[in-house]
Amino acid sequence: DIQMTQSPSTLSASVGDRVTITCRASQSISSWLAWYQQKPGKAPKLLIYKASSLESGVPSRFSGSGSGTEFTLTISSLQPDDFATYYCQQYNSYSTFTFGPGTKVDIK
Amino acid sequence: QLQLQESGPGLVKPSETLSLTCTVSGGSISSSSYYWGWIRQPPGKGLEWIGSIYYSGSTYYNPSLKSRVTISVDTSKNQFSLKLSSVTAADTAVYYCASITIFGVSMDVWGQGTTVTVSS
Repeated sequence: DIQMTQSPSTLSASVGDRVTITCRASQSISSWLAWYQQKPGKAPKLLIYKASSLESGVPSRFSGSGSGTEFTLTISSLQPDDFATYYCQQYNSYSTFTFGPGTKVDIK
Repeated sequence: QLQLQESGPGLVKPSETLSLTCTVSGGSISSSSYYWGWIRQPPGKGLEWIGSIYYSGSTYYNPSLKSRVTISVDTSKNQFSLKLSSVTAADTAVYYCASITIFGVSMDVWGQGTTVTVSS
């Protein structure tokens, strides 16, 4: 099974900060990686798919990069609405999915 | 605009079978552009993919749950369903259904989620 790790697990930041979250896969997943944002009591929201493609309607301050086993989600200028938990998710050739453990972004 | 809605009992007894249905509106469950999936989230914890189904009936399950999970599709009702057998307290979670795009292989539309508690 492919395992996913995320770092950091918690990130304290201020409005306007540039924020980077890292996701690592235990083996290569090519570019089959997505990023989600989840706020308390709400369903996750898709931000990025295929590692770097921005989902329609998602602000351009969100960007994704990486391939193989290491990926990053970057928020170029953190906004008040961005305080949330972020999950990466991989898809592999066995048609299974795995989520990372999540990164909570809170107010510094 | 695709919308998904979960339904089913909010309380299930230990050792019994959890049954949930996801109703798809605003689009056809027979679309060749989508898989349909179930994901759960225990209280205070992260997301866990349970399994997925294609409209043709092809299913894919999380290996850790495979022995207890059955996902099925009813194209006439535009619904897909989850059955999880022999539940324990560890299966207490918010259960989400979601559409999974074939193109990006990501979960682009989610239901609001339904809380299922396993307790006697």
